[in-house]
Formats: sequence, C-alpha cells, structure tokens
Amino acid sequence: EAQVTQNPRYLITVTGKKLTVTCSQNMNHEYMSWYRQDPGLGLRQIYYSMNVEVTDKGDVPEGYKVSRKEKRNFPLILESPSPNQTSLYFCASKLAGGREQYFGPGTRLTVT
Amino acid sequence: SQELEQSPQSLIVQEGKNLTINCTSSKTLYGLYWYKQKYGEGLIFLMMLQKGGEEKSHEKITAKLDEKKQQSSLHITASQPSHAGIYLCGAVSANQAGTALIFGKGTTLSVSS
Repeated sequence: EAQVTQNPRYLITVTGKKLTVTCSQNMNHEYMSWYRQDPGLGLRQIYYSMNVEVTDKGDVPEGYKVSRKEKRNFPLILESPSPNQTSLYFCASKLAGGREQYFGPGTRLTVT
Repeated sequence: SQELEQSPQSLIVQEGKNLTINCTSSKTLYGLYWYKQKYGEGLIFLMMLQKGGEEKSHEKITAKLDEKKQQSSLHITASQPSHAGIYLCGAVSANQAGTALIFGKGTTLSVSS
C-alpha cells in the first residue's frame, strides 16, 4: 500500500530533550516536506526536500533540523524542544512533477 | 507572500442540506487543492483544480476554480454525517518551483442528524 508513515504518532517530552520524528514514504517520491498545524494558524511548512541531500527552509524553520540521506526517509529533528513547538506535525511527499501531495497520519507532540 | 482565506471558519448544517465553502487567494492561483481532515488526523486529498473555470466532482462534493476572482468554492450536496470534518484549501506556492503548498486555516463542518 502506497503511504507516508510517521513515528511516533504521539509524544510527550520535556523541554530541552532532543527528539526525532521519523517520516518514510514507499512511493519513490522526490519531494518531501514537513508541516506543523496549530489552532488559528493552520498548516505551515517547516522544511522541505526536493531530493536526496537537497533540503531547504519553509516558513517556520526555527528550532528544527532535517536530513535527507535516503530518498524514502525525511526525519524531523528537534535539538532542544520548547513548549512553543507543541503542535501536530505532518509529513508529506509527492513526485517531482506530480500534483497530489500525500500526507502522513500526523504526530502529536507535547513539550512540557 | 501569498495567503489563502477560507470562509466560513465553521459551519453547522442539518443532514441533507447543501453547503458551500469558499477559498480566496491574495495572488493568482496556479493550482488549488482541496483536502479534508478528520480532527487530529491526516489530510485526505479531495481534488485539484488548475484551469480557470475548471470544475471537478467527487461523489457529492463539487469544486470550482474561478481564476479571475482568485477564488475556489467547494460545494457539498445533500450533506451527510460522513462529510463532517475540516476542509482545507491549499495553493501551489510561487516559491520552491511550484512544489510547496500554502494552506488556508480551514473550515470546520459539522453535520447534525
């Protein structure tokens, strides 16, 4: 089944404790992206990747890092999480010339 | 930067009634997506519109794109409880070689039986 998977789905952590949210897609998509969704603010892009080893900042990159060492994986790294990073995070992927962007099921992160 | 405004922000309709959700862009739309989201879950792709005047339908949901007005509308006919959720419009950003999506803040639809 073609899909985007994220792990973990739910995470509660404390301020300053490094964490990684994994994202994997099995559709051989070149483009991958991370979004966060917050009430009243909607979905906002954090980082994106056009292909392996090619990443760039989205609209709200502060406090986040990403890497794209393999085509299928695009982990989101929070080196020192803070409470303002409490949010619902979505990973998405698409073919370089494709229209539809496929979204993962989301990761609900709470930073206390 | 481009912004998408959705209206209304929330909507409660009685089962069987029709409804319309609007999405207006601050800049010319080169592609407009409609997604549906169940609360706290992932986004489900509904349809994409690209050409001015284009109209697409999926089951009881119809979306139109009016490029001149930089607006798209999503119409649901004979609403059902299964239509309840958050509807998001997304537009292809002028940045990132047309790969990024920017989103409206969503319209929350509740359907009462």
